[in-house]
Amino acid sequence: GAVVSQHPSRVICKSGTSVKIECRSLDFQATTMFWYRQFPKQSLMLMATSNEGSKATYEQGVEKDKFLINHASLTLSTLTVTSAHPEDSSFYICSARDVQGVSWGNEKLFFGSGTQLSVL
Amino acid sequence: GEDVEQSLFLSVREGDSSVINCTYTDSSSTYLYWYKQEPGAGLQLLTYIFSNMDMKQDQRLTVLLNKKDKHLSLRIADTQTGDSAIYFCAEGRNTGFQKLVFGTGTRLLVSP
Repeated sequence: GAVVSQHPSRVICKSGTSVKIECRSLDFQATTMFWYRQFPKQSLMLMATSNEGSKATYEQGVEKDKFLINHASLTLSTLTVTSAHPEDSSFYICSARDVQGVSWGNEKLFFGSGTQLSVL
Repeated sequence: GEDVEQSLFLSVREGDSSVINCTYTDSSSTYLYWYKQEPGAGLQLLTYIFSNMDMKQDQRLTVLLNKKDKHLSLRIADTQTGDSAIYFCAEGRNTGFQKLVFGTGTRLLVSP
């Protein structure tokens, strides 16, 4: 099946630094990628929708200047957490839609393995 | 409300059946999904059901959908210890493209 690679899997950083997380579709092209955030023992919350070649669409309450998203190619989207603070510590997961997946059935939506961010 | 709700925890013995329940909110959702998440990992799609169906079976998995009550369930037959994980239901809301709204997750613990 299709693979979405997300890196790094775990990152620890100091408060005030920026962290970049990459999401790559390895064997398919993804015009749309999604970024989620998951707090411990809670559900996934959609943060933003990343569209190749255009600006990301952010969900209500998500600061676009805090969480910078770049989707410069059909196989790569990046999420940069700028000036990270301890409250940004969370598990971040990306998903990518196969560009061939025109069906509404999200069987063409593939998830990365997640990034655990810890801000000290 | 806006939330997709699930019970938090389910414990079963190996070999028993597990039933995980979900109540969703958007009656116009076209597809409903079940995902599995193992510790520290991303999500794996287990199965999905189209909203005009009331049942779907896929090997050990059976999905039941009660559209009137907006209730979805996942039955795992002959549950194994490897099935221990968190299970999320999700509804696909049609907002130009299909946006997934996830439930709160049910932690399934299978004991030998």
